[in-house]
Amino acid sequence: AQTVTQSQPEMSVQEAETVTLSCTYDTSENNYYLFWYKQPPSRQMILVIRQEAYKQQNATENRFSVNFQKAAKSFSLKISDSQLGDTAMYFCALNQAGTALIFGKGTTLSVSS
Amino acid sequence: NAGVTQTPKFQVLKTGQSMTLQCAQDMNHEYMSWYRQDPGMGLRLIHYSVGAGITDQGEVPNGYNVSRSTTEDFPLRLLSAAPSQTSVYFCASSYHEGTYNEQFFGPGTRLTVL
Repeated sequence: AQTVTQSQPEMSVQEAETVTLSCTYDTSENNYYLFWYKQPPSRQMILVIRQEAYKQQNATENRFSVNFQKAAKSFSLKISDSQLGDTAMYFCALNQAGTALIFGKGTTLSVSS
Repeated sequence: NAGVTQTPKFQVLKTGQSMTLQCAQDMNHEYMSWYRQDPGMGLRLIHYSVGAGITDQGEVPNGYNVSRSTTEDFPLRLLSAAPSQTSVYFCASSYHEGTYNEQFFGPGTRLTVL
């Protein structure tokens, strides 16, 4: 069975600093897709970044980047130059053919000034 | 496009009552799903559908029914509400299951069962 584990229930960072959120997963498939979603206090789920497993190059979206280690089954999210608006819960998720999107339990990130 | 819409936004039920949570999307997505979100548990899949007339169970299907008569709509029915079903419910859709496609989420329904 596929699983997604986020080992950091809560994290905090100061504005302008960099923070890394951890995610590990387990799957027997070779082709799959990984996502980070953000859920601010408004409760709306927002896609932050995504990665295709067959691509070795790490995905980047502005201040957000991932460190994808396929052999280690690790998919961490790095947020650079943190902003107050980054305060949210962050979910790592795994998607592959024949199954639905599976989420980790989330990491609550607090950004303070 | 309205995206994914859910009604109602909030609902309070008494134990044993039934109700239907509505979900609709106007993006012509084949794949739709329902999740529940509980503190410390992340989002857990209840039911999903890969197209009109096709539904399947997720991780936590007990106490819930779904049907998919049209591409646009995917209602979730609570047959006899229980306090354990107090949660926030999200509907999501995407072009296909198991792909790189982004899943679009509705705004959620906060359900309280007394």
